[in-house]
Amino acid sequence: SQQGEEDPQALSIQEGENATMNCSYKTSINNLQWYRQNSGRGLVHLILIRSNEREKHSGRLRVTLDTSKKSSSLLITASRAADTASYFCATDKTGANSKLTFGKGITLSVRP
Amino acid sequence: NAGVTQTPKFQVLKTGQSMTLQCAQDMNHEYMSWYRQDPGMGLRLIHYSVGAGITDQGEVPNGYNVSRSTTEDFPLRLLSAAPSQTSVYFCASSYSDTPIRGYTFGSGTRLTVV
Repeated sequence: SQQGEEDPQALSIQEGENATMNCSYKTSINNLQWYRQNSGRGLVHLILIRSNEREKHSGRLRVTLDTSKKSSSLLITASRAADTASYFCATDKTGANSKLTFGKGITLSVRP
Repeated sequence: NAGVTQTPKFQVLKTGQSMTLQCAQDMNHEYMSWYRQDPGMGLRLIHYSVGAGITDQGEVPNGYNVSRSTTEDFPLRLLSAAPSQTSVYFCASSYSDTPIRGYTFGSGTRLTVV
C-alpha cells in the first residue's frame, strides 16, 4: 500500500500562477521528500524536509510539514511552462531501514 | 558524468525469457534500490541493498533477483518474464540508508513482455 498519497491527482494552471500540491501519509517518518519526473525521464530530487522541521525553501519551492496531521504541501511559486511534470512525495518511514515509499504522483500542467 | 546509468533503455521479451537489467553508479553510494513504475501505481520498491554483499526484499520482490558484488553495480534479474512484469524500471542510489540528500535516479528501462 502507498504510504504517501498526493492530492490533487492532476493540476492545470496558467504560467505565472502558484501551484500547490499536497501529500498525506500514514505512519511516523524521519523525513519527507519531493521529486519531479519529466515525461519519459527518471525522478529528480527537489527538496527534503525532516520530521523536526515545519517549513523549508529552495528557490521557487516551499515545502511545509505538519506531523500532527501527517501531511505536507509543496508550493511552486510563479510557475513556468518548464515546471510541467509529475511530482511525487516520498516518505522515509521511521524504523523501515529508511526505504523511501512513493506516492502515485501529481500531474502538473502549466499553460503558457 | 557522475550519476546512475541504466541499460538497456528499452527491451522486449517473450514470456518465459530471462534477462538482466544493469545499474551502475559512480558516486560511491552505499545504498542502491530498484523500483518499478506502473500507470496509476506510483513507484514500488522491488529490492534494495545497503552495501556490497547485502540485499533485501522490498514491496514487490517476486520474480526478481538481485546481487551486489561491488559498490558500483546492482543488477536486477528477471528469472522467467511474465506479462505482469511489463513496466518501467528505475534504479536509484544514495549516500547511505538515511537519504538526507535524496536519491539519485537512473533514466529507466522500459520493459515489455509479450
